[in-house]
Amino acid sequence: GAVVSQHPSWVICKSGTSVKIECRSLDFQATTMFWYRQFPKQSLMLMATSNEGSKATYEQGVEKDKFLINHASLTLSTLTVTSAHPEDSSFYICSALIRNTEAFFGQGTRLTVV
Amino acid sequence: AQKITQTQPGMFVQEKEAVTLDCTYDTSDQSYGLFWYKQPSSGEMIFLIYQGSYDEQNATEGRYSLNFQKARKSANLVISASQLGDSAMYFCAMRELYSGGGADGLTFGKGTHLIIQP
Repeated sequence: GAVVSQHPSWVICKSGTSVKIECRSLDFQATTMFWYRQFPKQSLMLMATSNEGSKATYEQGVEKDKFLINHASLTLSTLTVTSAHPEDSSFYICSALIRNTEAFFGQGTRLTVV
Repeated sequence: AQKITQTQPGMFVQEKEAVTLDCTYDTSDQSYGLFWYKQPSSGEMIFLIYQGSYDEQNATEGRYSLNFQKARKSANLVISASQLGDSAMYFCAMRELYSGGGADGLTFGKGTHLIIQP
């Protein structure tokens, strides 16, 4: 099956620094990728839609200047959490769309800001 | 707006029994897709099964089947012959499907924590 690789799987950073998370489609081209956030014991919430070659579309309430998304190629989308603060600590997970019916997820990244 | 409701926060089931996880949805769209995912404690999201709104037959994938009742807007997941390894969080999700081939991100329910007991 299709594989989506997300890196890193976990990261601890100091408050005020930036963190970049990568999401790669390994054996297919993904024109559309999605970024989700999941707080402990809660469901996944869509943050933004990443389209190759164009600006990302952000969900209401998600700060685009804080969560920078770049989808520069058909196999790579990156999410950068800028000037991270403890309230940004969460589980971030990406997915790639295939044929409108399947969404394969990366392994997720557990971000802790101290 | 789309909404997914999973009314069972947690379930305990005896090993080898069948399990039904409830999911109802609300949408004004005519074309949509319904998904079920399994999330073990590691956090990864494992795709289980998909049902399109225009699919006439219920989807099946091995031990997983989706009981799709369109008029009732219900998409329950049935796991036959449960195993200890089935213990995990299970999420129902949906997305609108566009005729042009694009799609929105998934809208998830709150999930059901399934625990299989030996």
